[in-house]
Order: sequence, then C-alpha cells, then structure tokens
Amino acid sequence: AQKITQTQPGMFVQEKEAVTLDCTYDTSDPSYGLFWYKQPSSGEMIFLIYQGSYDQQNATEGRYSLNFQKARKSANLVISASQLGDSAMYFCAMREGADDYKLSFGAGTTVTVRA
Amino acid sequence: DTGVSQDPRHKITKRGQNVTFRCDPISEHNRLYWYRQTLGQGPEFLTYFQNEAQLEKSRLLSDRFSAERPKGSFSTLEIQRTEQGDSAMYLCASSDRTILQETQYFGPGTRLLVL
Repeated sequence: AQKITQTQPGMFVQEKEAVTLDCTYDTSDPSYGLFWYKQPSSGEMIFLIYQGSYDQQNATEGRYSLNFQKARKSANLVISASQLGDSAMYFCAMREGADDYKLSFGAGTTVTVRA
Repeated sequence: DTGVSQDPRHKITKRGQNVTFRCDPISEHNRLYWYRQTLGQGPEFLTYFQNEAQLEKSRLLSDRFSAERPKGSFSTLEIQRTEQGDSAMYLCASSDRTILQETQYFGPGTRLLVL
C-alpha cells in the first residue's frame, strides 16, 4: 500500500499567489515525521519543512507552512507569495516510528509559477 | 557550510560494466542513506549506515549492488554488471541522529545511464 499519496501531478500558479500541495499519508504508528522537499530541475532535493506527529502546532518556515490534519492523515504544503524560483517538483515524505529512519516519498507534484 | 557532495554527477556506461559512486556526507552527520529515483517518481530507499555499520538494506538492493562506509565517513555504492534498468538518479543523504527531527539532507545526485 502507498504510504504517501500526492494526487496532483502538476499545478500552475500565478506569481505572488499562494498554492496548496496535497499530501495524504498512511501509517498505524503513533510516532512519525512528515517532510516536504523541493527538487528543481538540477536534481538536488532541498528540505523545506518538517512536522512531527506529536507537534501541537502547524509548522511554518518563511513562505512555507504545513496544514497538518492528523485525523484526516493529511499534511498539505502551502507556499505563499509564489516566486518564479518556486517552479520545481515537490515531494512529501514520511519517516515512521521511533526506530525507523528511512523516508517514504510520494510521487511528487510539479509546480510551475507563471509571471 | 559544506553540504552533501556526490561524485560523479553523471555517468554513462555500457551494459555489463561495473560502476562506483561516492558520497561525502555533512561532516558531523553519523547517518548516511542511499536512495534511487527513476524518472517521474519519488526517491526509493536503498540502504543506510549508522557510522560504518550498514543497518538496513531494501529488497531493491539486489546482489549486484554493494555499499560501504569505511571509517564512518564517505560512502561508496557499487553496481556490478549494470543493466539498463539500473538507469536512474542515485541520491545520497545524511542526518544527525542527535537532533530530534533528524532531517535528511541530500546531495546533488549521480545520474546513471546504462546503454
């Protein structure tokens, strides 16, 4: 079964507008961490934001915020005030359990920012 | 501030040849991971090290694949008798187990093309 599901293969957003990228996850472990990464065409995976399963508040990092809805098992990424440099592939990933360290990734969402 | 580095960045080889990739993690990071990413997909976990010990290997890592991390510093990933299906991006990441969220930071990857 897919552990991470990203249902939006591609999205277009106008410069300076906000965009929400969907991510749902599947785990029975109460302890887990959720990550978002950005992958530009150059290939490097760039860490954006982290949400722990026990965190009480939604994570924020600059223009990135995470809409964490634990009961729905969703962890959507919101990018505010989009910039042309935000055009990239975005991946949601999960680390399950206290003793498991590997990440399970979704298939990704391509974001294209239009001027 | 030096991040994770990988060498080479690109490799073209003929089917049946052996190839070796190198990863240098962030210096204070004790965990090192290898992932494989095929076109249009998210990265898939291959293996990980804690210091010099290889603690987990994915079923994706066939007998033709071997990874080492001598002295707990850099790591090498060798593929013997390459096949066209090995063509992919090979990503290395490292993390610090002393930090709670233990974010994995990725290198630029090695793109392998097997002809």
